[in-house]
Parts: sequence; structure tokens; C-alpha cells
Amino acid sequence: EVQLLESGGAMVQPGGSLSLSCAASGFTFSTYAMSWVRQAPGKRLEWVSGISSDGRTYYADSVKGRFTISRDNSKNTLFVQMSSLRAEDTATYYCTKEIGAIGTPVFEYWGQGSLVTVSS
Amino acid sequence: EIVLTQSPGTLSLSPGERATLSCRASESVSRNYLAWYQQKPGQAPRLLIYGASSRATGIPDRFSGSGSATDFTLTISRLEPEDFAVYYCQQYNTPNTFGLGTKLEMK
Repeated sequence: EVQLLESGGAMVQPGGSLSLSCAASGFTFSTYAMSWVRQAPGKRLEWVSGISSDGRTYYADSVKGRFTISRDNSKNTLFVQMSSLRAEDTATYYCTKEIGAIGTPVFEYWGQGSLVTVSS
Repeated sequence: EIVLTQSPGTLSLSPGERATLSCRASESVSRNYLAWYQQKPGQAPRLLIYGASSRATGIPDRFSGSGSATDFTLTISRLEPEDFAVYYCQQYNTPNTFGLGTKLEMK
């Protein structure tokens, strides 16, 4: 059974930094692309960032230069480092397993989400 | 980027009825890169359909997707009580985008 377990969500002040982690199990982590998708309260889903199985990274324009995605295949773990956080980054962040290794961001499995609140 | 417009915003139906949800794109979705997700309150989304018409693993055959270019449809042939939820479409050409969702509520 595929499981994705996010951790690290918290309240942080504008301009601050935060790191999220996602522990994956139930599949061969190293062979799949992974992404972070967020959902602000009452808003549509928004893809944030993705990383291919071989480590290529992709970012939405809204987070480019502020967020860094990475993966540790030896520990089956996905990360996102978020800096210069803004109020509009407030959302539940979902770790997702994509359906392939690269290039087709279809989100086949989702974690339960980690809440990030940016507020003073 | 491609804007996806879902209609109706809310659909009120009874168990056993047929549901038809629409997703219209602002420009043609190449390679029919269109997916549908279901989200229940307090839960993560679940992938239902990708490639416009391919069911994801474990999805019952009462769910079907159709369409091409700018017009796509998710059909639920006979509604079960557990089908009442919010449904999102997503096009996954670059940059990938989601629609605002259709809420399917029980009448």
C-alpha cells in the first residue's frame, strides 16, 4: 500500500522559512517523480514544485527562487525548503506521487497534507 | 497558461442518478492531458481519470471520462452515497493547472 506522510507544517511569520518532509513507502520511490501540490482555504489546487526520478526540478512561477525541492532516495523521503514566505503561501501542502518518472504530472497518490500558515 | 472552467459549480442529485460534470479549457489541451480528481471534506484528493478517459487503479467503472481539445466530461453512471464530493479537473501540459471544482451534493 502506498503511503505518503508529510511533516513540518507550522505557523511562520512573513519572510520566514520552513521545511516540509514527506516519508514515502509502499512503492519504489527512486523510480517515480514526486510533487508538492497546495490548496489554500477555499481555493483551487495549485501545483507548486516537482522533481523527476533522476533529480530534475520544476517550480511554479509563484514560488520560483523561494522554494527548493529535493529528494533522498536512500531514505525514501521528499523535501521542500520554503523561504521568504508570504501570506499567500498559506495552504495545506500535499506530497504527491506522480504516475511516471518524468514529464506527466498526474498525481496518482496523495498524502494527508501539512498545514502551513504564514501570519504575523 | 490554460484556464479550466468547470460547470456546474454545484450539482444536486440523488443516489442512483447519472451525473455529468463539465470541464472546458481556454485553449486546446494537447495530447488529451486531462485528469479528474475527487476530494471529500477533510481528505486529500483522489485520482479518478487521466488521459481524458483512462481510469486510475481501483476506480469503479461507474466513473468514465470523455472529450478532447477544449471540452471534457466526467460521467458517473449511477451515483453511490460515497460519490458525493468535490470534483476537480486538471490539465497537465506545462504549466499544469486545475479547475475550480464542481461540488456534487445529495438532493
